[in-house]
Amino acid sequence: DQQVKQNSPSLSVQEGRISILNCDYTNSMFDYFLWYKKYPAEGPTFLISISSIKDKNEDGRFTVFLNKSAKHLSLHIVPSQPGDSAVYFCAASEGGSEKLVFGKGTKLTVNP
Amino acid sequence: DTGVSQNPRHKITKRGQNVTFRCDPISEHNRLYWYRQTLGQGPEFLTYFQNEAQLEKSRLLSDRFSAERPKGSFSTLEIQRTEQGDSAMYLCASSPGTGWTGELFFGEGSRLTVL
Repeated sequence: DQQVKQNSPSLSVQEGRISILNCDYTNSMFDYFLWYKKYPAEGPTFLISISSIKDKNEDGRFTVFLNKSAKHLSLHIVPSQPGDSAVYFCAASEGGSEKLVFGKGTKLTVNP
Repeated sequence: DTGVSQNPRHKITKRGQNVTFRCDPISEHNRLYWYRQTLGQGPEFLTYFQNEAQLEKSRLLSDRFSAERPKGSFSTLEIQRTEQGDSAMYLCASSPGTGWTGELFFGEGSRLTVL
């Protein structure tokens, strides 16, 4: 049972445009959400997070939006750059547990 | 290099053999995690240590899997009697002991291929 779902395996955007990556979750006990980025042959690296008490968190070009009623979060990258090309994983945790539940990932390609 | 270090980077073994992976976390981090990632999937949690104590263990971790962190520094993950389904990337991560932010620092992983 996939508790964190990333339904788009891939996304392609033009440099300078907005990239929007989506994530849905089924476990209503999740209260902390994160995005990780992974380049080939490297481990995932933390990108941005959001607590369930917020609906938006921004860090430079990256913004995460959380819609608790829809159990949906999204990552916006503006403007997109070729160096953003990577696999992006959505992850969630519940109740202070240090166990992260990851989605399958979305491969983002930013074309120059 | 002060990042998380994993060895070996790639291990090829025959079914039924035992394998051991080692993880050296970032030196001041007292939390250490093991995840497994198979092709087309996201990382799956296996287990978590705070110092030398194993605090959480996934049901994915069958009796053939054992993880240790004897002195609260490096950790080993042993898989006994390997099966083809164990073929995966085994990722180690660490985090500081000050509060939970979800920010894990991952190593590059150890890829296991079971023939």
